[in-house]
Amino acid sequence: QSALTQPASVSGSPGQSITISCTGTSSDVGGYNYVSWYQQHPGKAPKLMIYEVSNRPSGVPDRFSGSKSGNTASLTISGLQAEDEADYYCSSYTSSSTLAFGGGTKLTVL
Amino acid sequence: QVQLVQSGAEVKKPGASVKVSCKASGYTFTSYGISWVRQAPGQGLEWMGWISAYNGNTNYAQKLQGRVTMTTDTSTSTAYMELRSLRSDDTAVYYCARGIGLRPFDYWGQGTLVTVSS
Repeated sequence: QSALTQPASVSGSPGQSITISCTGTSSDVGGYNYVSWYQQHPGKAPKLMIYEVSNRPSGVPDRFSGSKSGNTASLTISGLQAEDEADYYCSSYTSSSTLAFGGGTKLTVL
Repeated sequence: QVQLVQSGAEVKKPGASVKVSCKASGYTFTSYGISWVRQAPGQGLEWMGWISAYNGNTNYAQKLQGRVTMTTDTSTSTAYMELRSLRSDDTAVYYCARGIGLRPFDYWGQGTLVTVSS
């Protein structure tokens, strides 16, 4: 069982927006602004998409955005594109000085 | 450019040990830590632990305590992860990533498949 809870799957049509949630506790997501989001295509290594809740690394399209409210963080992808179809994982620093991952969300672009 | 290049695939018998390497280039090795993450077939990401390349301090996931050791060789900018007493459920792709603690994992290795089978 993962420490952070994500929906198993979400879907959307090209051009639409989707949001993936990541729910933890006050000991991780709610207690720190150190939530990251990773994109993973099949057979590939994960790629950092969002860090510190809402910051985008250089090269990540601004269609990707992150936010947090209480113990739940969210990743929003606007203007969905076919290449966005992938697995997405959230992670959070924890009060035990460790890292927790979510179970992952499979995004399907219809 | 920053690169993390991992060692090749391994096949091990239950009870054996495996040591995976991760050679860094393109940045000052001691300015960042290295984390290790594994992914069992068809499953999600699991954080294993991290090591500071500056002072060698480590922090391991509780479930792996006693079986895992992470080290670095600053002379070759290489990080290592050794896992002992291997079981079938240790079969996974093992990734190294740059970043520990509050820093995100901004660069990842290509992954190393470790298969544990009798």
